[in-house]
Amino acid sequence: EDQVTQSPEALRLQEGESSSLNCSYTVSGLRGLFWYRQDPGKGPEFLFTLYSAGEEKEKERLKATLTKKESFLHITAPKPEDSATYLCAVQESGDYKLSFGAGTTVTVRA
Amino acid sequence: GAVVSQHPSRVICKSGTSVKIECRSLDFQATTMFWYRQFPKQSLMLMATSNEGSKATYEQGVEKDKFLINHASLTLSTLTVTSAHPEDSSFYICSARGSLAQNQETQYFGPGTRLLVL
Repeated sequence: EDQVTQSPEALRLQEGESSSLNCSYTVSGLRGLFWYRQDPGKGPEFLFTLYSAGEEKEKERLKATLTKKESFLHITAPKPEDSATYLCAVQESGDYKLSFGAGTTVTVRA
Repeated sequence: GAVVSQHPSRVICKSGTSVKIECRSLDFQATTMFWYRQFPKQSLMLMATSNEGSKATYEQGVEKDKFLINHASLTLSTLTVTSAHPEDSSFYICSARGSLAQNQETQYFGPGTRLLVL
């Protein structure tokens, strides 16, 4: 069974203070690893899909990287509007279902 | 592109009644739609997977007779919570994945429906 563990559970940052979120996973064969952002009371918003170790993707202040066992979401010089819960999910080869981690709640103070 | 809507956004109902939630893909045809439930401070838990014109596949522990799913077209899926009870109160979220043109692995999520059963 797929397992996805995210750390830390919560992260409080000062505006401009860069940091990283971790997502470690166990899956027999990886089709893709996904990062989503979820604001309170809203559905998840798609950020990135990573397919193979060594792959990196960037969007504004966010950069996602992937190894064979984990993924990192780097937030560079965060702003208060980056405050949200960031969810990591894996998709196993041969299936389109997503297994989600518990998420990391990021709070950025001005 | 890849916009998914849900209706209603929130609903309050009495115990024992049924509630229908609609999920629509607005700008693409959804090969598969998924229904999730999310309790406060918890992550998303997959309830079922549905393909257009086929019976839904339910995850272990999800009662198929209580959570009726209909996927009548490539842009619409509905979830009906039958004989709702207070413990069914939750945040229900749908997602949809499209064809290869829309990056078929990726699920795009709706805004969610908050259900409160009194």
